[in-house]
Amino acid sequence: GQQVMQIPQYQHVQEGEDFTTYCNSSTTLSNIQWYKQRPGGHPVFLIQLVKSGEVKKQKRLTFQFGEAKKNSSLHITATQTTDVGTYFCAGPSSGDKLTFGTGTRLAVRP
Amino acid sequence: EAGVTQSPTHLIKTRGQQATLRCSPISGHTSVYWYQQALGLGLQFLLWYDEGEERNRGNFPPRFSGRQFPNYSSELNVNALELEDSALYLCASSLVGTGSSYEQYFGPGTRLTVT
Repeated sequence: GQQVMQIPQYQHVQEGEDFTTYCNSSTTLSNIQWYKQRPGGHPVFLIQLVKSGEVKKQKRLTFQFGEAKKNSSLHITATQTTDVGTYFCAGPSSGDKLTFGTGTRLAVRP
Repeated sequence: EAGVTQSPTHLIKTRGQQATLRCSPISGHTSVYWYQQALGLGLQFLLWYDEGEERNRGNFPPRFSGRQFPNYSSELNVNALELEDSALYLCASSLVGTGSSYEQYFGPGTRLTVT
């Protein structure tokens, strides 16, 4: 079945440093979604990308969908302590369900 | 607008018992999804209901079942509980029935502990 992997699994950065998480799918995706889950919380939708090569920005967050629509990235510029959490990508799989990636946990040292 | 609600917040059961978890979607949302999140791990898709019907289920044994009621709320039942069923069970809802094309709104989850 489809697999959605994310790297790294965990990253610990100093506040102010940049952070990037990469998402790779074993199959071509019609769209990709990104979610953030704060510690002890539930996933919250961040964004959806649909077009090949699409780039979207939300303040310090930049999301990119690969040309082949099999990979995506989330880049955070100048991390803040409020960025702490686990970031998941998610893409459609068989039967039109959403398959979540393995997640990247971000820790930020103040 | 009220978000997705789930009850109970915590549930403690012993091995072999049955657990029932409940979810109320955002008003106007017809699709409800259930996910299992074991401690420190990712989200595993369990079930998807839309308009009262099961649309898809994940790779879980039949003792995981559920239903969706006419008011679109949903129930997840887990029979013959096993220790490895201990996890956070998350419910999500979306506006329309195409499961992967629209953002999903998650509830706070039910923490199930099996002893």
